[in-house]
Amino acid sequence: DAGVTQSPTHLIKTRGQHVTLRCSPISGHKSVSWYQQVLGQGPQFIFQYYEKEERGRGNFPDRFSARQFPNYSSELNVNALLLGDSALYLCASSLALDKVAQETQYFGPGTRLLVL
Amino acid sequence: AQKITQTQPGMFVQEKEAVTLDCTYDTSDPSYGLFWYKQPSSGEMIFLIYQGSYDQQNATEGRYSLNFQKARKSANLVISASQLGDSAMYFCAMRNYPNTGNQFYFGTGTSLTVIP
Repeated sequence: DAGVTQSPTHLIKTRGQHVTLRCSPISGHKSVSWYQQVLGQGPQFIFQYYEKEERGRGNFPDRFSARQFPNYSSELNVNALLLGDSALYLCASSLALDKVAQETQYFGPGTRLLVL
Repeated sequence: AQKITQTQPGMFVQEKEAVTLDCTYDTSDPSYGLFWYKQPSSGEMIFLIYQGSYDQQNATEGRYSLNFQKARKSANLVISASQLGDSAMYFCAMRNYPNTGNQFYFGTGTSLTVIP
């Protein structure tokens, strides 16, 4: 079975531009989360979606938005890009928004975004 | 507030030896899960092992074991018989219920280098 897929793998943008990152979860997984990983740091939570609804949001500005589609794939949009948005953006999927702490998130390979 | 602390920015281990990577956590939730992920230079986060807050026994997965000391709020990863392919970044993460749903909190990571 295919794992989590993300596109594109690499992206170069300039300040002020807009970017859209895409993620397809593991088949059967209904929950998708987005993380930003700046060089030298651990991933920071941006959004979590379940059944097309936003279920969690991290401490990121409104320039960051996301959505989930009926097939459970997801897009992360970032407007008015800043140099500090340069990072690895990771998508993770899990079976459901489960009410137990043990549910594992499985990560995709990430999209490396460079803002010049 | 939920917090994960990894105090070892870098570790070295001789091939075939065992190594312990430290992780401490802070949470007020009674139910939580602790995870370890491996991140090679390619960027993808690979799930290694899980420990639940109510689990009585330490988790093991092949060469990976988790030394869970609940009273001390520590969840150290032990890798036995290190291999060259174990060289990577290692992240400890925590997921809580009920307060934070599916959000994972990550530490800053430990860079492990296996020496031939």
